[in-house]
This record gives sequence, structure tokens and C-alpha cells, in this order.
Amino acid sequence: DAGVIQSPRHEVTEMGQEVTLRCKPISGHNSLFWYRQTMMRGLELLIYFNNNVPIDDSGMPEDRFSAKMPNASFSTLKIQPSEPRDSAVYFCASSATGAGTQYFGPGTRLLVL
Amino acid sequence: GESVGLHLPTLSVQEGDNSIINCAYSNSASDYFIWYKQESGKGPQFIIDIRSNMDKRQGQRVTVLLNKTVKHLSLQIAATQPGDSAVYFCAEILGSNYKLTFGKGTLLTVNP
Repeated sequence: DAGVIQSPRHEVTEMGQEVTLRCKPISGHNSLFWYRQTMMRGLELLIYFNNNVPIDDSGMPEDRFSAKMPNASFSTLKIQPSEPRDSAVYFCASSATGAGTQYFGPGTRLLVL
Repeated sequence: GESVGLHLPTLSVQEGDNSIINCAYSNSASDYFIWYKQESGKGPQFIIDIRSNMDKRQGQRVTVLLNKTVKHLSLQIAATQPGDSAVYFCAEILGSNYKLTFGKGTLLTVNP
């Protein structure tokens, strides 16, 4: 089992640039979650997909953030334009069911200069 | 609002000792609890879970205890090893809700 796969692992970009984070959930899992982790706020849920459909995006900070899940094996989180305050570690997690145990990927460490 | 919290933000133990990490939760309706371990530079890793109809569950070197009377959850690690050094989070789920509510985390440091 490869687990949840995320890319890139590290991203450094300049303010105003577009950033795209990628996630491949565990095969067979029907739920996918994007989180952001900072020292100040801990782990925050950004968006939740079930069967490729966004169910809850109330955690998305603002319109600069968008997420897609075109199929069961791939999701993207896009920030456009990026700002320094977006610097954080972004995790993708998947679970077999919406209320089941979530398994996290290794995260993408984003630094916006 | 209701949330999951931790009593101790840091815990330092000697290698070979047993560790106990505590968590208090305030939502008595929560029925599923999970412990995660997060090592530096990595994502949270599932350790063990427990449902509210149980008061104890054991895994390999780990035991989770649930005391619903006082809304307390604990993670016991037997014979703590340097590789156990990490931040430990408890998390709860309410019913069929998908949202994990995470505690702030406890940093466990194992001294050789």
C-alpha cells in the first residue's frame, strides 16, 4: 500500500504566483480531505470531497483557494495568487468512508516569499 | 465551541519507561476517537482508535483508555523508544460527521 501521495514535497514561490498542490488518495478510498497546518492554528480542514464531489468547502480561506477532484485517484489544491500568509504545510488525507479513519500524506511544505 | 484539548503540551521520558499522554474532550456526544503521531517533517500517522462503546483498546505497545464519565482519553506507550519521539494528537468524530476535531498536540521527547 503506497499510502496517500502528495507532490511536490516542498514549494518555494514568490507572492502573486500560482501554486498547485497535488494528491493521490489511497486506492479504494472514497473520501478526500485537504488540511493546512501552521504553528498558530494547528490542523485546519480546508475542503472535503466524497466520491469526487466537494461536500464541505467552508474551511477554504478565500476565493484565492480552489480545489478539484476530477477522478477518484487525483485531487489538486490551487492558490492563485499566493500570499506570504499562505505559507504552511498542506496535507491531503483520505478515508474509506466519510466518517472513517483518515490517513494522511506526507504533506507539501509551502513557502511564499 | 466544544473542542478536544490536551492537559500537557510536553512530556519528557526516559527510554524504556512507559509514557502516558492525556486528552480531555468536551463533547459527550463524540463516539469515535483517534490518536495520531506526527514526526518532524511528516504527516500525522494513525496509531490507534477507539469507539465510545469501549473503554480500552490495545495495539502493539500502545493502549488507549476512554473514560466517558470524565470525558478523558489517554494513550499509553509501553517501553518508550527514541523512535516514539513525536507530537501526539487526539482527535474525535461525532456520529457520522466526517470532521475530525484535533487537539493541540503533546510533544513527547524520549531521552536515551
